[in-house]
Amino acid sequence: NAGVTQTPKFRVLKTGQSMTLLCAQDMNHEYMYWYRQDPGMGLRLIHYSVGEGTTAKGEVPDGYNVSRLKKQNFLLGLESAAPSQTSVYFCASSYSSPAGFSEAFFGQGTRLTVV
Amino acid sequence: LAKTTQPISMDSYEGQEVNITCSHNNIATNDYITWYQQFPSQGPRFIIQGYKTKVTNEVASLFIPADRKSSTLSLPRVSLSDTAVYYCLVGAVSGGYNKLIFGAGTRLAVHP
Repeated sequence: NAGVTQTPKFRVLKTGQSMTLLCAQDMNHEYMYWYRQDPGMGLRLIHYSVGEGTTAKGEVPDGYNVSRLKKQNFLLGLESAAPSQTSVYFCASSYSSPAGFSEAFFGQGTRLTVV
Repeated sequence: LAKTTQPISMDSYEGQEVNITCSHNNIATNDYITWYQQFPSQGPRFIIQGYKTKVTNEVASLFIPADRKSSTLSLPRVSLSDTAVYYCLVGAVSGGYNKLIFGAGTRLAVHP
């Protein structure tokens, strides 16, 4: 049982390049999330998904796109990377709950540097 | 989602009990209170969740007063390994969507 796995763990991009971060979970969770965390800051929600085929914007969605074609995968895309997108990206998943939050499980993070 | 306010940082010493308080004045009736812990270079980890009164698990206790406008995470007898950032989240399934919105958190430093 791997939990939440992010690929890749590290990446350096040049300004204007594109890339896709992959998040995979093997817990059959309905909800999945993408966050970014800048040095010394809390996590900011980029996009999230409440089920296969659905996505929604979070707090800081500009410059990112996401897709949830399969329940176990949540992809985060950067179409044209900018230095301001240098950050650590975390993916998380959680099961749906009739009330309140359910426990969220996080991946190990992807450290992205845009030069 | 209810806004939360926590101290930016706290210091403690090994063996002491640490209490971190979170204010959430506009908490809604169906909101739960959840705490996460984050170590450097790792994703956050769920610690504890509660709705009212007191919840205890093997890691921490969560105290919630009757008005639910605040909550206190209690870490008994902390060790150096408890040095981390602690996040308080308040919310519930809203309109069919379950957002997890993190604030700035509280940086706890445990000293020898």
